[in-house]
Amino acid sequence: QQPVQSPQAVILREGEDAVINCSSSKALYSVHWYRQKHGEAPVFLMILLKGGEQKGHEKISASFNEKKQQSSLYLTASQLSYSGTYFCGTGSNTGNQFYFGTGTSLTVIP
Amino acid sequence: NAGVTQTPKFRVLKTGQSMTLLCAQDMNHEYMYWYRQDPGMGLRLIHYSVGEGTTAKGEVPDGYNVSRLKKQNFLLGLESAAPSQTSVYFCASRWTGATPEQYFGPGTRLTVT
Repeated sequence: QQPVQSPQAVILREGEDAVINCSSSKALYSVHWYRQKHGEAPVFLMILLKGGEQKGHEKISASFNEKKQQSSLYLTASQLSYSGTYFCGTGSNTGNQFYFGTGTSLTVIP
Repeated sequence: NAGVTQTPKFRVLKTGQSMTLLCAQDMNHEYMYWYRQDPGMGLRLIHYSVGEGTTAKGEVPDGYNVSRLKKQNFLLGLESAAPSQTSVYFCASRWTGATPEQYFGPGTRLTVT
């Protein structure tokens, strides 16, 4: 039930944009996005609860296409501080369990 | 508030040894989780608890046991460690409800030789 993320890794220069995709073979009841800096714990970015919902967090936003069972994370005008591994996650139908994707490593260079 | 804490931070075990990882949270959260993180595998759920005295299996429960005797603590036990259990272990907790942001502990790096 683990969502699949793409790409696995991406390198950007400061100011460039990136898109990270998350897809599932099972129904998505909600989509969560987390960022993990090297050697640290994951930190919550945002959650999308409804199909078609879009949210923003500074220059990071996300969309949720419930029918396609996909979510995308958009990073615009990337900054060095955006470097890290991004995980999507989805809740089970009961909401008790969570399944995280395999992660996307994002590196922003000067 | 300390948030979510984990002890120990690092541990090296020999195959067959046992140990317990402790997770503590001071946010009065009902739900608590244990994950393992391996390179290229993301975070995989081992066990979880939806309240004091309850536990349930996640994706990869084999070789692990858990207990939630007090609401603020969630213990993860390895009865007979194996090299395949070498990993980084994260504990997380959250409120109930529709916006289940999880708060993670700093992790425990376990090596089994």
